[in-house]
Amino acid sequence: GIQVEQSPPDLILQEGANSTLRCNFSDSVNNLQWFHQNPWGQLINLFYIPSGTKQNGRLSATTVATERYSLLYISSSQTTDSGVYFCAVDTIKAAGNKLTFGGGTRVLVKP
Amino acid sequence: DGGITQSPKYLFRKEGQNVTLSCEQNLNHDAMYWYRQDPGQGLRLIYYSQIVNDFQKGDIAEGYSVSREKKESFPLTVTSAQKNPTAFYLCASSIPGRLLHFGNGTRLTVT
Repeated sequence: GIQVEQSPPDLILQEGANSTLRCNFSDSVNNLQWFHQNPWGQLINLFYIPSGTKQNGRLSATTVATERYSLLYISSSQTTDSGVYFCAVDTIKAAGNKLTFGGGTRVLVKP
Repeated sequence: DGGITQSPKYLFRKEGQNVTLSCEQNLNHDAMYWYRQDPGQGLRLIYYSQIVNDFQKGDIAEGYSVSREKKESFPLTVTSAQKNPTAFYLCASSIPGRLLHFGNGTRLTVT
């Protein structure tokens, strides 16, 4: 099946800093989503972005499908941005709509 | 408010007992999913269903069973055949191929 790798695995930021999280995938995708899991385990969808660029407040994401990667940008980070960020993809070749998750990037924003 | 309800939030069972986790959604989504998350890991797909009365195995279906008798409900049974059942279980739903919405999860501990 498709392989999804996220980097870095861990990230420590000072409040106010900017950062970039990366997601590499091993096959063509028709669905790519970014999620944030807060310290209580809740998963919140951030972006549906199989290609192109989207922005939502201080967060933005870019997917370059032809090169098989996606980037999530966090600007002016806040302590509430702490948690784990997951990338998940679905391949064009797979039967059925099901997302495969990467291992996540654990982010800690210090005040 | 539309959403996904998982119950209970915490569940404790003795080894050898079957246990059923509840998942209900009122988003009118056709597709529903069960994922398992172990500490410090990403999410792995257990089962998914794209339509009532139909479901498919995910990547780690052994020791689990599901049913989809109603569009709104997708219960997961963790059987005694599951060797390491202690984990965080997340239910999700979506319009097939679109944004995935998660419930708040059930933490299962088996001793």
